[in-house]
Amino acid sequence: EVQLVESGGGFIEPGRSLRLSCTASGFSFGDYAMTWFRQAPGKGLEWVSFIRSKIYGGTTEYAASVKGRFTISRDDSKSIAYLQMNSLKTEDTALYYCARESIAPNGNHAFDIWGQGTMVTVSS
Amino acid sequence: DIQMTQSPSSVSASVGDRVTITCRATQGFSTWLVWYQQKPGKAPKLLIYAASSLQSGVPSRFSGSGSGTDFSLTISRLQPEDFATYYCQQGKSFPLTFGQGTRLEIK
Repeated sequence: EVQLVESGGGFIEPGRSLRLSCTASGFSFGDYAMTWFRQAPGKGLEWVSFIRSKIYGGTTEYAASVKGRFTISRDDSKSIAYLQMNSLKTEDTALYYCARESIAPNGNHAFDIWGQGTMVTVSS
Repeated sequence: DIQMTQSPSSVSASVGDRVTITCRATQGFSTWLVWYQQKPGKAPKLLIYAASSLQSGVPSRFSGSGSGTDFSLTISRLQPEDFATYYCQQGKSFPLTFGQGTRLEIK
């Protein structure tokens, strides 16, 4: 079964760091770009970060709101994508989803497999 | 950044109705438009990519159209399981951006 499972969320104080993991199974992880989205309680979806597959250089993209604080990475040998979150702010409180980019023709930046999400609460 | 605006923000409809949700972008981008469905407590589900291509496994009552700046998602013959929130997302350029969502409620 094709699956993504996020972990690493929790309750944390402002200014601290947290690392989220997204463990993939059921597909060739290294062939796919991966991304992180987030959804604050009762709000809409927000894109956070993106990492290309190694064949496309493994390069990364970030939302302006997290650039310089968050780092996305991947370990293809373990089929895991990570989101290192530093200098956390209260406004980073959200459910964080990882997702797989579709490789369908013309499926540019469409995401076909999502995890169930991991909750990050930043509060003093 | 490309801003996405969905309308309406919410809509009430009955089982069997036809519903159309629209999404407008602040700049044109051909057909790099994606639609998702999200039910309470669940992750979003990909419905449509490339503005009009139906994702595998998605019922044919869902359809998408449009190009440039104006796009739409139509659900013909609403089923009980279709009551959810729908989001559009542009895939043209980073930062990827979403519409604010359209909540489809049972009348």
